Amino acid sequence: ETGVTQTPRHLVMGMTNKKSLKCEQHLGHNAMYWYKQSAKKPLELMFVYNFKEQTENNSVPSRFSPECPNSSHLFLHLHTLQPEDSALYLCASSPSYQGETQYFGPGTRLLVL
Amino acid sequence: AQTVTQSQPEMSVQEAETVTLSCTYDTSENNYYLFWYKQPPSRQMILVIRQEAYKQQNATENRFSVNFQKAAKSFSLKISDSQLGDTAMYFCAFGAHSNYQLIWGAGTKLIIKP
Repeated sequence: ETGVTQTPRHLVMGMTNKKSLKCEQHLGHNAMYWYKQSAKKPLELMFVYNFKEQTENNSVPSRFSPECPNSSHLFLHLHTLQPEDSALYLCASSPSYQGETQYFGPGTRLLVL
Repeated sequence: AQTVTQSQPEMSVQEAETVTLSCTYDTSENNYYLFWYKQPPSRQMILVIRQEAYKQQNATENRFSVNFQKAAKSFSLKISDSQLGDTAMYFCAFGAHSNYQLIWGAGTKLIIKP
């Protein structure tokens, strides 16, 4: 499945670093999402974009900063992260945002030291 | 509030057997979708099957089928002739037409033994 791609696949960063995660969808979808998946926890929705506009921020700390320059690309900028932010970050897209099927990328495995 | 419950944290069956994963949900919505996603050890989240609530007929995709009981708010996944490649976490999810957010269950870890 190459409809949604994410880079990098693995990332190790120190707490003072700044890095960005990239997501690109080739499905012609209008909505894009960032999720956090931690061990032993349900999937946590972080951000939602619909037609490039942010429609939801689920009380995510400001050290995570999303950017959606167009409907095909989504970024998650990271700065001064904490060790508890270590997780799998999944990007998804859907044709619309109204409860529709979401298609996922392979994820970025992030480790914060 | 909408909730999705998967009551089986882990299941294990022999290859070629049939296995059923349970999912119940709670909602006051009438128009919604239900999904089963699979996440193998590679961590890619893959759609297995989707059911639209207004359709009475249960969705099927090859070896995968669902038993959708709308009144009981139950949505179980049946995997027939299970294969080693079916080993994965399986997540049940609910999506209301009125909302952007999918509501996810906690997942069931399925192990297929040779």
